[in-house]
Amino acid sequence: QKEVEQNSGPLSVPEGAIASLNCTYSDRGSQSFFWYRQYSGKSPELIMFIYSNGDKEDGRFTAQLNKASQYVSLLIRDSQPSDSATYLCAVWNGNKLVFGAGTILRVKS
Amino acid sequence: GAVVSQHPSWVICKSGTSVKIECRSLDFQATTMFWYRQFPKQSLMLMATSNEGSKATYEQGVEKDKFLINHASLTLSTLTVTSAHPEDSSFYICSVLQGIDQPQHFGDGTRLSIL
Repeated sequence: QKEVEQNSGPLSVPEGAIASLNCTYSDRGSQSFFWYRQYSGKSPELIMFIYSNGDKEDGRFTAQLNKASQYVSLLIRDSQPSDSATYLCAVWNGNKLVFGAGTILRVKS
Repeated sequence: GAVVSQHPSWVICKSGTSVKIECRSLDFQATTMFWYRQFPKQSLMLMATSNEGSKATYEQGVEKDKFLINHASLTLSTLTVTSAHPEDSSFYICSVLQGIDQPQHFGDGTRLSIL
């Protein structure tokens, strides 16, 4: 079992819709969770981070964490074509960030 | 503004050449920096953890004699790819750890092409 798992996609949503990206992790002791966006040919940029169970909102983005079920998700409201990218889920394991393989999101206008 | 500066952004060189990549923390002193490599259509793979004033910690399967890391100050880490070969061609990205459990900030990456 991989430490951090994501559906590779691509996830296609129409412009204006809500995109839902999911991630599961194997280390029950993990405390810090991050979502990065990576455009093709570019380095990752931080979108959200969350430490506590529940929801955390920042603009059009909402991160959701459920430690009991060991999943973290990212919701993107009012999706725009510019949101089309690969979204990387990352979990801090105490020494380093462990990345999922990433989910490709395509927002169609 | 940028938190991490990585240089150069693009390198093309002949096989056998050694290439040095710099990673600078601009806004704070960074005891720990990380070096990643990313091949096309794959996720980031951690190569090594760079610790200021001490030896780097390399991930399993990464040749420490080929990928030399120096973290001589709290704002600068360098990765030197020694005697680079075409299979070393990749996207190399550094990141800076602001604090335990804090988000990492990534440099813009260095695209290395070995002919």
